Amino acid sequence: SAVISQKPSRDICQRGTSLTIQCQVDSQVTMMFWYRQQPGQSLTLIATANQGSEATYESGFVIDKFPISRPNLTFSTLTVSNLSPEDSSIYLCSVRVGAGYLYEQYFGPGTRLTVT
Amino acid sequence: QKEVEQNSGPLSVPEGAIASLNCTYSDRGSQSFFWYRQYSGKSPELIMFIYSNGDKEDGRFTAQLNKASQYVSLLIRDSQPSDSATYLCAVSYNFNKFYFGSGTKLNVKP
Repeated sequence: SAVISQKPSRDICQRGTSLTIQCQVDSQVTMMFWYRQQPGQSLTLIATANQGSEATYESGFVIDKFPISRPNLTFSTLTVSNLSPEDSSIYLCSVRVGAGYLYEQYFGPGTRLTVT
Repeated sequence: QKEVEQNSGPLSVPEGAIASLNCTYSDRGSQSFFWYRQYSGKSPELIMFIYSNGDKEDGRFTAQLNKASQYVSLLIRDSQPSDSATYLCAVSYNFNKFYFGSGTKLNVKP
């Protein structure tokens, strides 16, 4: 398994500002993911962040809005830029442990963002 | 579009009963299947994963996979009020992609 921490756990931000979310894992992992969960909804994958390469973004998500860093195998950041109320959501870091299709995927505790 | 379908519920069962949660998926190439439990305001917690057809048991939980019929289910025996949560089914279509269903809300009544 993996133990994942995120900072901050929650924040209230003003429209037009940015928030950077940190994700720390207790072990080295190749594959890290960032998800968004809007109120009452399921999880939506924002991007895959692998160390040593550019993040891969899902349809509807762009690097200018959600820049991601992955400086090493235990850490990643997600920035949500130029905030609008529509960005109010829970942002979750996730890591994959295992190889091939025999893996498990774990989630951090999440960051609850409210944009005013 | 890869689809993972779950009944949104709520599914209500009395304490001590068996709760049965179902999930269907659209792509026959799916390889790995996961069940997560999510309490309100919390992040998803991995309960079970299954890769092969048949049943997999872990304590009070049993995951069942039928690739021919493209469904995966989760049985919770001796349901407890603490099992009340939203249960998310997730399906992996390749090594990178992971698709979630919308979740089934389970209420276990004391």
